[in-house]
Amino acid sequence: RKEVEQDPGPFNVPEGATVAFNCTYSNSASQSFFWYRQDCRKEPKLLMSVYSSGNEDGRFTAQLNRASQYISLLIRDSKLSDSATYLCVVNIYAGGTSYGKLTFGQGTILTVHP
Amino acid sequence: DGGITQSPKYLFRKEGQNVTLSCEQNLNHDAMYWYRQDPGQGLRLIYYSQIVNDFQKGDIAEGYSVSREKKESFPLTVTSAQKNPTAFYLCAAQGPNYGYTFGSGTRLTVV
Repeated sequence: RKEVEQDPGPFNVPEGATVAFNCTYSNSASQSFFWYRQDCRKEPKLLMSVYSSGNEDGRFTAQLNRASQYISLLIRDSKLSDSATYLCVVNIYAGGTSYGKLTFGQGTILTVHP
Repeated sequence: DGGITQSPKYLFRKEGQNVTLSCEQNLNHDAMYWYRQDPGQGLRLIYYSQIVNDFQKGDIAEGYSVSREKKESFPLTVTSAQKNPTAFYLCAAQGPNYGYTFGSGTRLTVV
């Protein structure tokens, strides 16, 4: 089983649609959670961190369910510029001076069309 | 502006040749990482370093080597032992909130 699993999509949605991505992780010791966005042939960039209480940043809402080991990202009012690959990322912190390592899902492809 | 600089942007390697990818950061972060990304796939960890003069193998370290002589620099050498080196290579530094900042990547192609 992969450590971080995402539905690869692709998701094709019209402008203005609401779209949700899901992600599951296998290691219950995972401590920090993120969504990254990667445009074609570019580096990943941090979209938002995911907190246990859930968090929102404009049109984007992230949720974490530790009991089910499940993370979600909701995008409301989709824009053409939201087209990208969305990467679910978890960090396992080993304690001490270790920062832990980020483990990436394979990504979910989103295409927003006019 | 603080950030990560990777060079070169594109690199071509002949069979049997070693090549070195540069990664420099001015973020003053202790931890640095090298990932490899193949088309349509996620990122796979090659090597990481959480402090100067120390580094650890990741999931796919065979055929690669690194050094961490300075906090700012974490170069990756792709050796001739790496049989399938064509990929997009990403260097990252990890901040205190555990999130990564990535460089813009190096595309390596075997010719």
